[in-house]
Amino acid sequence: SQTIHQWPATLVQPVGSPLSLECTVEGTSNPNLYWYRQAAGRGLQLLFYSVGIGQISSEVPQNLSASRPQDRQFILSSKKLLLSDSGFYLCAWRKAGTDSGNTIYFGEGSWLTVV
Amino acid sequence: QKEVEQNSGPLSVPEGAIASLNCTYSDRGSQSFFWYRQYSGKSPELIMSIYSNGDKEDGRFTAQLNKASQYVSLLIRDSQPSDSATYLCAVFRAGTYKYIFGTGTRLKVLA
Repeated sequence: SQTIHQWPATLVQPVGSPLSLECTVEGTSNPNLYWYRQAAGRGLQLLFYSVGIGQISSEVPQNLSASRPQDRQFILSSKKLLLSDSGFYLCAWRKAGTDSGNTIYFGEGSWLTVV
Repeated sequence: QKEVEQNSGPLSVPEGAIASLNCTYSDRGSQSFFWYRQYSGKSPELIMSIYSNGDKEDGRFTAQLNKASQYVSLLIRDSQPSDSATYLCAVFRAGTYKYIFGTGTRLKVLA
């Protein structure tokens, strides 16, 4: 069976500090990978998605970036955090392709508080 | 107009009642639709998916899709306090890799 893990689960970072969130998927190959952010009391905002190694699509211009150095690894980064970057970050995966029947599954999430 | 719209709630129902959650979407090319449940502080978990017009039942849950009206709903029968959560509607955009989520409806089931 497939599993998805992301870490760290919780972090508190000062404004201007760097960020690195990591996500890995097991039990599948060439998954589509996603990063979403959920601000307090808000919906899920799609940040990045990737359909393959080194292929990153950005949905929202901001000070965040994503990388996919390996097939089942997805990393969210920032060089300098802003207060507005606080939120619940979710990594997700789905089977490869644009098949509309493929479901998206989420990791456990990472709570980021920028102070 | 938001791509996926939900009433934020809270929707309060007594234990044992039917909870009805609604979602509308703007892209007529949308092909598949999903309902997720999210407990406070946790990640969303899939409840149901639906792809064709009509009803789809799974246990206490029934999803209803009407593509002509661009409307999808979730019915929860015999609601339990453990069903209290935020319910997210998601739409898969045809020909892309994108899932667009609504802001969610908060459901409270009163014991």
